[in-house]
Amino acid sequence: GEDVEQSLFLSVREGDSSVINCTYTDSSSTYLYWYKQEPGAGLQLLTYIFSNMDMKQDQRLTVLLNKKDKHLSLRIADTQTGDSAIYFCAERQVGYSTLTFGKGTMLLVSP
Amino acid sequence: GAGVSQSPSNKVTEKGKDVELRCDPISGHTALYWYRQRLGQGLEFLIYFQGNSAPDKSGLPSDRFSAERTGESVSTLTIQRTQQEDSAVYLCASSFMQGANYGYTFGSGTRLTVV
Repeated sequence: GEDVEQSLFLSVREGDSSVINCTYTDSSSTYLYWYKQEPGAGLQLLTYIFSNMDMKQDQRLTVLLNKKDKHLSLRIADTQTGDSAIYFCAERQVGYSTLTFGKGTMLLVSP
Repeated sequence: GAGVSQSPSNKVTEKGKDVELRCDPISGHTALYWYRQRLGQGLEFLIYFQGNSAPDKSGLPSDRFSAERTGESVSTLTIQRTQQEDSAVYLCASSFMQGANYGYTFGSGTRLTVV
């Protein structure tokens, strides 16, 4: 079965870049997603990447995909205190509708 | 509605009681999902509804858990004879199945505490 792994915690200073990493096991994954969860809230879709892409940029967010190593990363440029949250990586396989989520990475941004 | 609505937002119940959680998806979203998030854990898939097709119940942890959805409208998740290990945030999501990408839109969840 598929498995999605993430580091559990990342601490950065305001203004620095943050890089959150994710690995997945299923090579038939087509879409890979990053979600953000703020305290007491549901998950908010930040961005996604299709598996035939290796990079996607959206304002301060850059997603890099290394399909050979099954490694996905989310880079947040100029990290702000408002970026403090839990970030979930998720993947979806061809022909399936359900997403498989990692355990989430807690990002703490200090002033 | 504008977003996925879940109720109640918080529920405290005694062990052994039944609870019912409600999810109102975004209008026009044909797919609806229930996930469970235990403290410090990732999201655990429970059940998936797509239109009038038979639901995918493969994630339900025991026969105490059941869910219903009528057409493309509201869904209820029922937990019978609740146990302390059922304490978690129950998240509902819906998605629009057409198009190349269909990421979910999540509700804010129901925090269930079994005492």
